[in-house]
Amino acid sequence: GQNIDQPTEMTATEGAIVQINCTYQTSGFNGLFWYQQHAGEAPTFLSYNVLDGLEEKGRFSSFLSRSKGYSYLLLKELQMKDSASYLCAVADSNYQLIWGAGTKLIIKP
Amino acid sequence: NAGVTQTPKFRVLKTGQSMTLLCAQDMNHEYMYWYRQDPGMGLRLIHYSVGEGTTAKGEVPDGYNVSRLKKQNFLLGLESAAPSQTSVYFCAAAAQPDSTDTQYFGPGTRLTVL
Repeated sequence: GQNIDQPTEMTATEGAIVQINCTYQTSGFNGLFWYQQHAGEAPTFLSYNVLDGLEEKGRFSSFLSRSKGYSYLLLKELQMKDSASYLCAVADSNYQLIWGAGTKLIIKP
Repeated sequence: NAGVTQTPKFRVLKTGQSMTLLCAQDMNHEYMYWYRQDPGMGLRLIHYSVGEGTTAKGEVPDGYNVSRLKKQNFLLGLESAAPSQTSVYFCAAAAQPDSTDTQYFGPGTRLTVL
């Protein structure tokens, strides 16, 4: 079967760094996405990885290891507005997105 | 440029009632999707469309029907609502299904079936 695993909830301090992990098992792989979703709002795109390695975009970075079925999202210099859920999704062999349940990130002052 | 819009934003139905959710996009994207999001679960694909006049089943299609008569609109119908269909429904649109264009989401419709 297809499965995306990520922690349910994480807590971090404003100004710190946090890493959110995602492991996956899917039928085919055409890329891994990270989305941010604030409470009561729609998901918005953060990053995309299809090759192994690190993609950096401002305070956010995303890493992929296809051989390990593993990705992480790294958030630096945390701000209160980063409090949200972070969704990991994998595009399968049909380019349909398989979604994890999301990681709720709580930022404390 | 509104992107993706959804109508209505909230709705309460009684078991057995029917309704249609409307998704509209002004980005001229070919691909459109309907998802449902339930607490503790990932987004699940209900139906999708790869272009005007086409529809296909996703992971959880039972109890839902869709139509894509116009490229900019994707309708999701519930013929006889059940409490298990209480959920938040998101529509998304994409120019292509791969990385070169991500899925852009509408604001969601919060549906409660009593």
